[in-house]
Amino acid sequence: DIQMTQSPSSLSASVGDRVTITCQASQDISKDLNWYQQKPGKAPKLLIYDASNLERGVPSRFSGSGSGTDFTFTISSLQPEDIATYYCQQFDNLPLTFGGGTKVEIK
Amino acid sequence: QVQLVESGGGVVQPGRSLRLSCAASGFTFRIYAMHWVRQAPGKGLEWVAVLSHDGSRKSYPDSVKGRFTISRDNSKNTLYLQMNSLRSEDTGIYYCARDAAEYYYYIDVWGKGTTVTVSS
Repeated sequence: DIQMTQSPSSLSASVGDRVTITCQASQDISKDLNWYQQKPGKAPKLLIYDASNLERGVPSRFSGSGSGTDFTFTISSLQPEDIATYYCQQFDNLPLTFGGGTKVEIK
Repeated sequence: QVQLVESGGGVVQPGRSLRLSCAASGFTFRIYAMHWVRQAPGKGLEWVAVLSHDGSRKSYPDSVKGRFTISRDNSKNTLYLQMNSLRSEDTGIYYCARDAAEYYYYIDVWGKGTTVTVSS
């Protein structure tokens, strides 16, 4: 199975800050990576697919990059409504696997 | 609008069975693959199963293989998850989810989830 390692597991930042989350795959997954946002008590929501493609309707302050084993998710200017846990997920091979999540809080 | 509504969750004793259902509406159900994804209390997301659009291909992680069975009825726009030999570690919220493709790619629609508690 492909292991997905996210870091940090949690972070605290101020409104307007640039926030970066990394996700590392245990083997080369090309660009077969998605990013999801989960707000407290809610279902996850797709933000980014194929490592860098923004899902329709998702604000442009969210972005993703990377390929191979190393990926980055960025919020260019943190907003109060971005408080959530963010997960990466690989679809290069079954079983599909998620990273452990990064909880983003407002400082 | 596109909607997935799960049902069938509840409290069940270890070793017993439970069947979850997911009613889909607002889209052409038969052309999309479907998933079940779960989340243990206070934990992260764990993928549980995928079923291709036509039901011909399916896959599970080792944690549920041989105990869980995913199926669908395209005539009823409904997805199912038959869970047998339940364990305490199966406790959590179970989400029904739609894939953007015929088998697996990215999950673009999620239900609100149904809660399964395995406890004596």
